[in-house]
Amino acid sequence: KAGVTQTPRYLIKTRGQQVTLSCSPISGHRSVSWYQQTPGQGLQFLFEYFSETQRNKGNFPGRFSGRQFSNSRSEMNVSTLELGDSALYLCASSLDAGGNSPLHFGNGTRLTVT
Amino acid sequence: GENVEQHPSTLSVQEGDSAVIKCTYSDSASNYFPWYKQELGKGPQLIIDIRSNVGEKKDQRIAVTLNKTAKHFSLHITETQPEDSAVYFCAASKSGTYKYIFGTGTRLKVLA
Repeated sequence: KAGVTQTPRYLIKTRGQQVTLSCSPISGHRSVSWYQQTPGQGLQFLFEYFSETQRNKGNFPGRFSGRQFSNSRSEMNVSTLELGDSALYLCASSLDAGGNSPLHFGNGTRLTVT
Repeated sequence: GENVEQHPSTLSVQEGDSAVIKCTYSDSASNYFPWYKQELGKGPQLIIDIRSNVGEKKDQRIAVTLNKTAKHFSLHITETQPEDSAVYFCAASKSGTYKYIFGTGTRLKVLA
């Protein structure tokens, strides 16, 4: 079974631009979560989707948004990029949305904002 | 707010020795505690997990213990090998929140 696939692996953007990251979950997984990983803050929860509905959102500004499609694939968007948005963005899928089933992570998208 | 503290931040052990990583969580309603291993250039991979109705779980060289009263849980790796070198994260979650709170990570180095 294929794992979680994230595209692209690397992105370089300029301040003020916007970016869209994509995630394909493990087949059969309907819950998709996004996390931001930085050396200073560690892994921070962005949002979680289940059946195209956002169930929870972390403490990030409104510039960070996401969505989930009917095939469970998910995208996240960051508008008006800031230098501090440079991070590894991780997508994870799980079998259910109960908050206590194992997350399966992709290898992430490394975003660099210059 | 919700918080998970993880110690130590770095740990060096000789090959064959044991390694122990400890985490403390703040939300007493947390009921699921996974551990992840992250290698360079990869996403975190689940290595073991434990639920709040269990005190200990073991999988070959890896074990996790949970003390709900103290809100502590620990990862134990025995007979460490060089391939165990990685960053390890603990996490806590509770039903209905759909999110995990992660510890800050422990960089484990196993010296051959």
